[in-house]
Amino acid sequence: GENVEQHPSTLSVQEGDSAVIKCTYSDSASNYFPWYKQELGKGSQLIIDIRSNVGEKKDQRIAVTLNKTAKHFSLHITETQPEDSAVYFCAATPPSGGYNKLIFGAGTRLAVHP
Amino acid sequence: GAGVSQSPSNKVTEKGKDVELRCDPISGHTALYWYRQRLGQGLEFLIYFQGNSAPDKSGLPSDRFSAERTGESVSTLTIQRTQQEDSAVYLCASSLMVGTDTQYFGPGTRLTVL
Repeated sequence: GENVEQHPSTLSVQEGDSAVIKCTYSDSASNYFPWYKQELGKGSQLIIDIRSNVGEKKDQRIAVTLNKTAKHFSLHITETQPEDSAVYFCAATPPSGGYNKLIFGAGTRLAVHP
Repeated sequence: GAGVSQSPSNKVTEKGKDVELRCDPISGHTALYWYRQRLGQGLEFLIYFQGNSAPDKSGLPSDRFSAERTGESVSTLTIQRTQQEDSAVYLCASSLMVGTDTQYFGPGTRLTVL
């Protein structure tokens, strides 16, 4: 089955710097790759997603890139702010009878220092 | 509109007791998912509902776990004879329809089995 590896497990940056989190997946048929931000007491919120027919997607300071050949995708946060501090999870969706069975990475704890 | 809600937010129980966790999906969402997140780990898929039926129960850890959904809305996850290893945050998500569609997560129920 699908397996998602996420790196790094922790990431510490200075405010204003960029942060990059990388994920690899094993099932080449996976076709949907969301990123979730998890904050204490706020649950998990979708911040950006990308589908397999697109190589890059951007939303303000957040971007995701997908390399289907290498089976990896990355989250890029530019001009980081303290409120970006959270745990970020990537996920992949292998074909599973047509529905979204999200397979998650282990998470990256991002700390943005003022 | 209202997001996915879960109750209770926290549950402490004694080993061997049964617990019921509740999820109220976003109104009109036909698909509902349960995930489990152990401390410091990513989310594990448990079960998926399409309407009131559960085509994929493959993630349920044991026969002590069961779930049902009524009226294409509320779902309950029941854990019988709880064990300490059941301690985790249980997350519910819903999506508008099947296929590669965005899942919206609730805040989770933190279960602690003493």
